[in-house]
Amino acid sequence: RKEVEQDPGPFNVPEGATVAFNCTYSNSASQSFFWYRQDCRKEPKLLMSVYSSGNEDGRFTAQLNRASQYISLLIRDSKLSDSATYLCVVNSFGNQFYFGTGTSLTVIP
Amino acid sequence: NAGVTQTPKFRILKIGQSMTLQCTQDMNHNYMYWYRQDPGMGLKLIYYSVGAGITDKGEVPNGYNVSRSTTEDFPLRLELAAPSQTSVYFCASSSIQGGNQPQHFGDGTRLSIL
Repeated sequence: RKEVEQDPGPFNVPEGATVAFNCTYSNSASQSFFWYRQDCRKEPKLLMSVYSSGNEDGRFTAQLNRASQYISLLIRDSKLSDSATYLCVVNSFGNQFYFGTGTSLTVIP
Repeated sequence: NAGVTQTPKFRILKIGQSMTLQCTQDMNHNYMYWYRQDPGMGLKLIYYSVGAGITDKGEVPNGYNVSRSTTEDFPLRLELAAPSQTSVYFCASSSIQGGNQPQHFGDGTRLSIL
């Protein structure tokens, strides 16, 4: 079983829509959780960390469910500039980061 | 505000040639990593280091070597380049301090082997 699993999509949504991605992880001892954004042929960039109580950054909301071992990312009022691949990342034992294969999002005018 | 710096950005090699991909970070991070990403695929860990003088294999180490003589630098060496090593290589670093410390990435080296 993979450490981190994501639905690869693609998700094609109209501008202004709300879209949600989920990601599951296999190691119940995982300590830290992140969402990264990766544009085509560019490096992954940190979008937001995911905290146990859930957290929000503008139009982006991240949630963690430790009991079910999944994290989610909600994007409200989608913009064309949100088109990218979104990577779920889980950190275990301090120095090991496990990446999902990414979920592709295209926001359509 | 350099962060993680990778050089070169692009390189074309012939089969059998060798080269070193450079990575340096100025954030005093203990942990450093090398990943490769093939077109349309996810990141695969090649090697990582938890501090100067310490390196460990990741998921796909064959054909690569690393060293970590200083906290700042983590070069990746390809000894006998093969077409299967055509990829985009990313270096990343993270801090040991506290929890919830993310990785910071360099902007990548795009390597083609012909």
